[in-house]
Amino acid sequence: GNSVTQMEGPVTLSEEAFLTINCTYTATGYPSLFWYVQYPGEGLQLLLKATKADDKGSNKGFEATYRKETTSFHLEKGSVQVSDSAVYFCALRTGTASKLTFGTGTRLQVTL
Amino acid sequence: DTGVSQDPRHKITKRGQNVTFRCDPISEHNRLYWYRQTLGQGPEFLTYFQNEAQLEKSRLLSDRFSAERPKGSFSTLEIQRTEQGDSAMYLCASSLVSSGRNPSYEQYFGPGTRLTVT
Repeated sequence: GNSVTQMEGPVTLSEEAFLTINCTYTATGYPSLFWYVQYPGEGLQLLLKATKADDKGSNKGFEATYRKETTSFHLEKGSVQVSDSAVYFCALRTGTASKLTFGTGTRLQVTL
Repeated sequence: DTGVSQDPRHKITKRGQNVTFRCDPISEHNRLYWYRQTLGQGPEFLTYFQNEAQLEKSRLLSDRFSAERPKGSFSTLEIQRTEQGDSAMYLCASSLVSSGRNPSYEQYFGPGTRLTVT
């Protein structure tokens, strides 16, 4: 079956630090990969996505590259801000199935 | 468009009671999904609808759970005889699957209904 493994949090960084949140997956077929973000008190928001191998998704300074050879989709940002503090979820979807399979989430806290 | 809305946002109930949640998707979105998220975990798929047809149900959806989308617009999720293990955030999402060659499956999530069973 499909599964997503994320690095455990919380991750605590100082403002302007470099961020990496690791995500690896197991899937049948060729999945599409996603990062969702959940800010305190809000619903899940799609942050970025990639639909095939070697695609790079990017949004709001965040990037992730679909690596089929390592089955990974690590999230990176060069300089985090306090406003990036949230929980980040890696997710996948396979084939024509529309359900998402999520990782357990990684809480990011950015301090001044 | 105000996005996906869910009602209520919070529900506290006693064990054994029935509860019903409502989800209003983004207008004209033809797919509607329900997920459950427990503390410290990612959302887990429960079921989804294409228009009014319920096309897939997870094994997580026991016979105490029932979901409907009678007119292909809003949906309700009912839990009968609630148990403490049902305490969770119930998330609704919607998407528009277009009929073109490149259908979009982007899911937009609501704020969730937090259920506490005492």
